[in-house]
Amino acid sequence: GENVEQHPSTLSVQEGDSAVIKCTYSDSASNYFPWYKQELGKGPQLIIDIRSNVGEKKDQRIAVTLNKTAKHFSLHITETQPEDSAVYFCAASRGSGNTGKLIFGQGTTLQVKP
Amino acid sequence: GAVVSQHPSWVICKSGTSVKIECRSLDFQATTMFWYRQFPKQSLMLMATSNEGSKATYEQGVEKDKFLINHASLTLSTLTVTSAHPEDSSFYICSARGLAGGGDTGELFFGEGSRLTVL
Repeated sequence: GENVEQHPSTLSVQEGDSAVIKCTYSDSASNYFPWYKQELGKGPQLIIDIRSNVGEKKDQRIAVTLNKTAKHFSLHITETQPEDSAVYFCAASRGSGNTGKLIFGQGTTLQVKP
Repeated sequence: GAVVSQHPSWVICKSGTSVKIECRSLDFQATTMFWYRQFPKQSLMLMATSNEGSKATYEQGVEKDKFLINHASLTLSTLTVTSAHPEDSSFYICSARGLAGGGDTGELFFGEGSRLTVL
């Protein structure tokens, strides 16, 4: 089955700096790659996603890149703010039907220092 | 965006009792819902896939008689933890797959989670 590896497990940056989180996946049939932000005691919230027919997607300060050949994708957060501090999860799925279950990475705890 | 509601948000029960957690899609129909379990400072682990009108599909290592899942309608799935024990204490999160224009977008919308504490 699918296996998703996420690095780093913790990341501390200064406010205004950029943060990059990387994930690799094992199932070449995966075609949907979302990123979630989870705050303490809450459910994950989708912040950005990308499909396998696209190499890069950007939404304001957040961007995601996908390298299908290498089977890895990354989250880039620019101009980080203290409110960006949270746990971030990457995930991968085949994206459709009953087989489209999301498999999550291990998570990255991002701390943005004021 | 789509809203998924979980109830209760937290529950404390005695060992040996059963606890039911509800997951509702509030503004869309969800033929498929997923149940995850999350221990402190760990990732979300998929427990089972819940399909409306049919039996749930459980992941390897998840006891189907322990974690009963019912998906009786297109907007409601329930997870019942039977004969709960302290080791079942965890954060349980459901998610529902969104549909757009009759097609499967693949996007998952998550509930806020239910924290179960078994004494």
